Order: sequence, then structure tokens, then C-alpha cells
Amino acid sequence: DVKVTQSSRYLVKRTGEKVFLECVQDMDHENMFWYRQDPGLGLRLIYFSYDVKMKEKGDIPEGYSVSREKKERFSLILESASTNQTSMYLCASSFGGTVNSGANVLTFGAGSRLTVL
Amino acid sequence: AQTVTQSQPEMSVQEAETVTLSCTYDTSESDYYLFWYKQPPSRQMILVIRQEAYKQQNATENRFSVNFQKAAKSFSLKISDSQLGDAAMYFCAYYGNAGNMLTFGGGTRLMVKP
Repeated sequence: DVKVTQSSRYLVKRTGEKVFLECVQDMDHENMFWYRQDPGLGLRLIYFSYDVKMKEKGDIPEGYSVSREKKERFSLILESASTNQTSMYLCASSFGGTVNSGANVLTFGAGSRLTVL
Repeated sequence: AQTVTQSQPEMSVQEAETVTLSCTYDTSESDYYLFWYKQPPSRQMILVIRQEAYKQQNATENRFSVNFQKAAKSFSLKISDSQLGDAAMYFCAYYGNAGNMLTFGGGTRLMVKP
């Protein structure tokens, strides 16, 4: 069974702490994504990556950074956590390619709920 | 930029009945995909159904079907014979060539009453 695994389901951090959210996929997918989910706002894309060591900003990258040192792993980093970053974070992955390929079908992880106090 | 709008924050349906969730989108592209994703209370998002814009025939997956109106930029999801396990958040999503990423609507919470 293919999987996207997020290392932490629940985290509680303090304002100003550095936070790492880890995501690993076992499907040999080229593309990986980090979304933030908030009530009424749906999912908003923070960053995505098409390949190892490659990253692209999404719609709301401010306050976040990412790292992709290996194909299967995509990390989201909050350099200095703030209360407005309290949210559910979803990682996803897909095959690479054009819109007419499997690139548009995402497999999601279970999510990481982050609370910043 | 593309936008996706789900105008119904919450919907309720009686078990075994049919319910339709609405979605509209805005785009200038002609080649794109539309999706409905389901997020049960366990939080893992799963794909329900996918529609290719160049196909006129509406996609169907068992009890789930869509009504795709390209000119009206409307993409509704119909769930027939609703079951308790259908209770979840449902997200409409758009994928086109320009952004090469999924754009999601705000979601609709579906409650199924026994």
C-alpha cells in the first residue's frame, strides 16, 4: 500500500521555536507538496518541489522554508514559529509530468496539527 | 490565478438519500482537470473522482458522479444512496497547466443522518 507518512500527528510549540515537519513517501514520486489547511480557507499551498534540491514557492510561503535532500523526503521548516502558524499541515506527493499525466493526482499524508503557544 | 469556490460550508443528508455538493471555478485555460477529494474525520485526504475538461462525459465512480458544466465553470458532486461513511469534508480542486499545482476550494462539511 503506497504511503505518504508525516512524522508527527500533533505538535505543540512555543512562539519563536524552530519547527521541523517531516514527510516521507515510498512511491518514488517526483513531486512533493506542503499545504496548510484552515477552516473555511481550504488548502493553501506553501511550497512544492519537482525534484531533489529543487523548490518552488506556493501561495503562502512567508514564514516557511523547505528542504528536499532526498527524493523521498520533503521537510517543512518554521524558522521562528508564530501563533498565526497554528494550523493543520498536509504533505502530498505525485508523479512528475504534464497536466495530462499522473502529475495531477495527489496522495496525501494524514496531516500534522501544529499548535503554537 | 485560478480560484475555486464552494458556496456550501455545510450540508446534511439522510442516510440512503442523494446529496449534491456545489463547486464553481474561474479559469482562462481550456485544458485542465477537476477533482473532488474527501477528508474523513481521520484527516487523510483521498481522491473521490476526477474529470478531464476535454471530456464531455461526466465522470462516475460507483455512487459518486459529477455534473460538469464547462461553459458555466461548474463542477458539482452527486452522492447517491448516502452512507454514514460518506460523512467528511469534501474539497473541490482544480489542476491546470499554468500553475502546475492543485488549487482547492474552501471545503464542504457533509453530515449524514441515520
